[in-house]
Amino acid sequence: AQSVAQPEDQVNVAEGNPLTVKCTYSVSGNPYLFWYVQYPNRGLQFLLKYITGDNLVKGSYGFEAEFNKSQTSFHLKKPSALVSDSALYFCAVRDMGGNTGKLIFGQGTTLQVKP
Amino acid sequence: DTGVSQDPRHKITKRGQNVTFRCDPISEHNRLYWYRQTLGQGPEFLTYFQNEAQLEKSRLLSDRFSAERPKGSFSTLEIQRTEQGDSAMYLCASSLIAYEQYFGPGTRLTVT
Repeated sequence: AQSVAQPEDQVNVAEGNPLTVKCTYSVSGNPYLFWYVQYPNRGLQFLLKYITGDNLVKGSYGFEAEFNKSQTSFHLKKPSALVSDSALYFCAVRDMGGNTGKLIFGQGTTLQVKP
Repeated sequence: DTGVSQDPRHKITKRGQNVTFRCDPISEHNRLYWYRQTLGQGPEFLTYFQNEAQLEKSRLLSDRFSAERPKGSFSTLEIQRTEQGDSAMYLCASSLIAYEQYFGPGTRLTVT
């Protein structure tokens, strides 16, 4: 079965420090991977995706993610965290079992950036 | 605003009542998805439309749930005889191709 795991419920980081939010996946074949961010009482905002190509993907708001096939990981990173980055982050993989493009999400990681 | 919109944003209903939610996707997007998100969990897929055709339904979608997308434009999700376990955030998303999906703000349902 295809799945996504986010091993950390919460990540705490000081403003200005680099941040990493971890994600590992399990799919058959080549994965399509996504990161979304959710602010309180809001829908999900698309940050970035990996479909193919360069393993380092750049996205919105200075975020980037590194695809590592051997470790089946797709960790989200940012060189310098902002207090405004505090939110709930979801990693997702496209279900490769059909042609719907539906997403399978991890449980989410709360990022807390302290001033 | 050219994003995905959902209405209402919040709905409080009594157990046993019927509720209907609406989603207006980005206008040129032919793919439309409904997801459900409960507290502390990631969104879970409910159903998928390509244009007006409902092509996939999750096992989460019991017989009390029905969704439509007439003319391939807006979509509605109806829950009949609501139960407390239906309390959740219902998210709609649309896409043009099977890559990134764009989500609406969600409808938060509370069943009392």
